[in-house]
Amino acid sequence: DIVMTQSPDSLALSLGERATINCQSSQNILYRSNSKSYLAWYQQKSGQPPKLLISWASTRESGVPDRFSGSGSGTDFTLTITSLQAEDVAVYYCQQYYTNPRTFGQGTKVEIK
Amino acid sequence: QVQLQESGPGLVKPSETLSLTCSVSGGSISSYYWNWIRQPAGKRLEWIGRFYGYGSTSYNPSLKSRVTMSADRSRNQVSLTMTSVTAADTAVYYCATESDSSGWSPLDNWGQGTLVTVSS
Repeated sequence: DIVMTQSPDSLALSLGERATINCQSSQNILYRSNSKSYLAWYQQKSGQPPKLLISWASTRESGVPDRFSGSGSGTDFTLTITSLQAEDVAVYYCQQYYTNPRTFGQGTKVEIK
Repeated sequence: QVQLQESGPGLVKPSETLSLTCSVSGGSISSYYWNWIRQPAGKRLEWIGRFYGYGSTSYNPSLKSRVTMSADRSRNQVSLTMTSVTAADTAVYYCATESDSSGWSPLDNWGQGTLVTVSS
C-alpha cells in the first residue's frame, strides 16, 4: 500500500496567517503519460463528512475559496491556506487515488490561536 | 449532484455481520463508482473498497476476506456487508462517489455517514 504521511499533525495560527500542510507519499503518484499527480486534499469540519477541496494536486474544486491552493508533484505535496479564516478550522487530509487501495494521510488539525 | 444517505443498525454484536445501505437520489447507480470509507473516532480515513455501477468491485486487501459490496437497482441502493466484526470495526461509515467515469478520480460527493458500534 502507498503510505501517506502528513506534517504537522496540528497547526494553531492567528486569523489571517498562512497555513502550510505537507503530504508525502511512499511511492511516486505521478502518472507520466498524462503528467498528473493523483493526489487530493479534503477538509473535514467537526461532525461533517470530508469535502473535496483540491484534486490532481493543484486543481481547486468549484466553489472552493482561492485562498486554498495545492502544489507539488511525484511524492511531495503541499496545501496552503494563504489567509486563515475562522471557517477554515478543520482537519485536512491528503489522499492518493493512483492505485488501490486508496489511502489517506493521518490528517492535520488546523485551529485558530 | 446525486444525494447519498447511509443507513444501518447502529449497534452490532461482535462476530456478527454488519450490513449498511447507501441510498441514492438524483442519479443512477450505473453511472458512478461507489466507494465505502470508514473513520474510527480520532483516526484516519480508511478506504474499504468500491463497487462500479456495472458490477465490478475492488476491495482493500486488509478487509477483502470479510467485505462484499453490491447494488439493488430497483431500490437505487448500494450496500456494504462486513462479516465477523470486532470492536476494531467501530467507526463512522461513509459512502462516496467518484463522478469521473475513468475510475481514477477523487471522491467528490460524500454521504453524511453512519456510526456503527460493535459491542455486546
